[in-house]
Amino acid sequence: DGGITQSPKYLFRKEGQNVTLSCEQNLNHDAMYWYRQDPGQGLRLIYYSQIVNDFQKGDIAEGYSVSREKKESFPLTVTSAQKNPTAFYLCASSPSGNIYEQYFGPGTRLTVT
Amino acid sequence: AQKVTQAQTEISVVEKEDVTLDCVYETRDTTYYLFWYKQPPSGELVFLIRRNSFDEQNEISGRYSWNFQKSTSSFNFTITASQVVDSAVYFCARSQGGSEKLVFGKGTKLTVNP
Repeated sequence: DGGITQSPKYLFRKEGQNVTLSCEQNLNHDAMYWYRQDPGQGLRLIYYSQIVNDFQKGDIAEGYSVSREKKESFPLTVTSAQKNPTAFYLCASSPSGNIYEQYFGPGTRLTVT
Repeated sequence: AQKVTQAQTEISVVEKEDVTLDCVYETRDTTYYLFWYKQPPSGELVFLIRRNSFDEQNEISGRYSWNFQKSTSSFNFTITASQVVDSAVYFCARSQGGSEKLVFGKGTKLTVNP
C-alpha cells in the first residue's frame, strides 16, 4: 500500500540531545513537509522540500534541520538549540507542479525532559 | 500574516444532529486553494476536500457538504446527521501565495455524543 510512514510513534529524549525523526513515503511525490502541532494549535510549517537535494525553511525552522538526499525520505533533526521541542510532529507529501492536497503520516510524539 | 480563523474551538452535539464548522480566511492572492482535513484521535490528518478559489460551487459528499463564499472569505463545512465516528479535530487551510505551502487554522474539536 502507498503511504507515508513515520517512526517511531513515541520518542523520549533528555534535554540537550539531538534527535532525528524519520519520514518515508512511497507515493512518488516530489514535495515533502514537516509540521509541528502543539495542543490547541494548528499545524506550523518547519521545513519543506519540493525536490531532492533542495529544501526551504518554513515559519518555525529555528532549532531544526533536514536533509533530502532521496525522493522518498525527508528526516527531521530536532537539535538541542530548539528551546521547546516537546510536540507532535507530522510529515506530509504531495505531488508538485500545482497546489495539491498534502497526505500526512501518522506523526511522532516527541517528549523532551 | 494572512490568517485562517476557526472561531469555534470546541463543539459538542448529539448524534444525528447537523453541525457546521466555520472557517474564515484572509488572503491577498487572486488564485488560492482551500482545504479541510480531519484529525481523529489517532493523530493522522485525513484529507477531505480541496477547492480552487475560482470554483464557488457548493460541494456535497455523502453527509459532508462545503459552502464556499468568496464575498465573505468563508469556507464552511457541514456534517449532516452526525455520527460518533465524526468526532475529531477538523482543520481548515489555505494555500500561501502561489506556493504549495499551507496555512492552517487552529482547528475545531467536534465531539459527537451517542
